[in-house]
Amino acid sequence: KNEVEQSPQNLTAQEGEFITINCSYSVGISALHWLQQHPGGGIVSLFMLSSGKKKHGRLIATINIQEKHSSLHITASHPRDSAVYICAVRNSGGSNYKLTFGKGTLLTVNP
Amino acid sequence: DAGVIQSPRHEVTEMGQEVTLRCKPISGHDYLFWYRQTMMRGLELLIYFNNNVPIDDSGMPEDRFSAKMPNASFSTLKIQPSEPRDSAVYFCASSLGFYNSPLHFGNGTRLTVT
Repeated sequence: KNEVEQSPQNLTAQEGEFITINCSYSVGISALHWLQQHPGGGIVSLFMLSSGKKKHGRLIATINIQEKHSSLHITASHPRDSAVYICAVRNSGGSNYKLTFGKGTLLTVNP
Repeated sequence: DAGVIQSPRHEVTEMGQEVTLRCKPISGHDYLFWYRQTMMRGLELLIYFNNNVPIDDSGMPEDRFSAKMPNASFSTLKIQPSEPRDSAVYFCASSLGFYNSPLHFGNGTRLTVT
C-alpha cells in the first residue's frame, strides 16, 4: 500500500503570498492527482500528472518521480483559494490500482 | 455538461432506516466510483463500476452496503440498516477511462445517522 503524506496539514497565508503544498509517497506510481475541496463543497480535480510540471492559471503542479515527491504552488494567493487540497496517487503495476489519498492540507488565505 | 449529479445533498435519518444515495455520472464516462469521506479516514473507495458492471467492491464496509448501476446514467448506493458510524460524506465520481484519467466528482451527500 502506498503511504501518502502531505505537508503542512494546515496553512494560513495573507492574500498575495506564494503558497506551496507538498506531497510525498512511498511506492512508485503511474499518476498523481491534486484535488481541491471547498468547505462543505464538492471535490474538483486540479491536476493529473505523471512527470514534469503542469500549469493552470495561478496554479502550478510539479512532480519528481525519483524523489517520490510532488508540490502544488499557488501564486498571488486569494481568499477564494481557501480550501482543502488533497493529493492522491495511483500505484504503477501490480493489483493495487486504487487511488490512495493523502489527508489533505487546509489552506486559509486571509484578505 | 452538468457534471456529476448526486442526490440528496443532505440526508438525516434514524438508526435502522434504509438510506439510498443517487448518482448520475457525466454522459459518456465509462467508470463510476463511490467514495466515502470521514474526518478520521479521509477519502476511501467503496466500489467502482465499468460499463455498469461492478468491478471491485472490496471497499464496501459490510453487507449492509450495496450498490447498483442499472444503466449508464444512474447508480445507487444503499445502506440497510443504517448505523451512526455510517455518518459521512459520500461522493460519486466518474471518469472516461481508468488509468491516468481525471476524476469528476459530484457535490457529495452528507449523511447523518442519529
